[in-house]
Amino acid sequence: DAKTTQPTSMDCAEGRAANLPCNHSTISGNEYVYWYRQIHSQGPQYIIHGLKNNETNEMASLIITEDRKSSTLILPHATLRDTAVYYCIVRPPVNSGGSNYKLTFGKGTLLTVNP
Amino acid sequence: EAQVTQNPRYLITVTGKKLTVTCSQNMNHEYMSWYRQDPGLGLRQIYYSMNVEVTDKGDVPEGYKVSRKEKRNFPLILESPSPNQTSLYFCASRDRASGANVLTFGAGSRLTVL
Repeated sequence: DAKTTQPTSMDCAEGRAANLPCNHSTISGNEYVYWYRQIHSQGPQYIIHGLKNNETNEMASLIITEDRKSSTLILPHATLRDTAVYYCIVRPPVNSGGSNYKLTFGKGTLLTVNP
Repeated sequence: EAQVTQNPRYLITVTGKKLTVTCSQNMNHEYMSWYRQDPGLGLRQIYYSMNVEVTDKGDVPEGYKVSRKEKRNFPLILESPSPNQTSLYFCASRDRASGANVLTFGAGSRLTVL
């Protein structure tokens, strides 16, 4: 599995965009980049995922560099409720076979949104 | 609402007293999994199930049992709990057919074993 590197912590002002970087220089051609977050002691929550094109949903945008060695999760207008640990995970697609495709959550980035 | 429901949310018990943490999902997902989360160790997978009657060990299965008799339920059983099983437990499920590794997690069960 490709290893990911994220900053330990980041701060962001409420209402501003939060840009969370992730390095995954050993990513393989078929591996997706997934982002999850965990608000204190709650269950992790899926945010977004992508392969090579930029993706956007109601929660966030995901920008993946052309060489796919890094990506950035963007929360366009951060709120206090976005304070959480954000995990960047690289995994191959889940097929219909019998594999676990376990998600490995590293240490992530603690994003603190300040008033 | 699509969700994974765990019970109990909080439990304090004593060493050796058998307990079961229930997990139920209403999304018709084939895949279900249990994780535990401990400070400094992150989330570690305990057991997983690819479908009814199909279960397998994750990274830290010792001291735990699971069963998958119905698609929606995946209970975690601690036959003889010990203090080192004090932890925050999460159940999760995934739609295997979608191709995406999108897990839906429960709210968590905080277990304390005295």
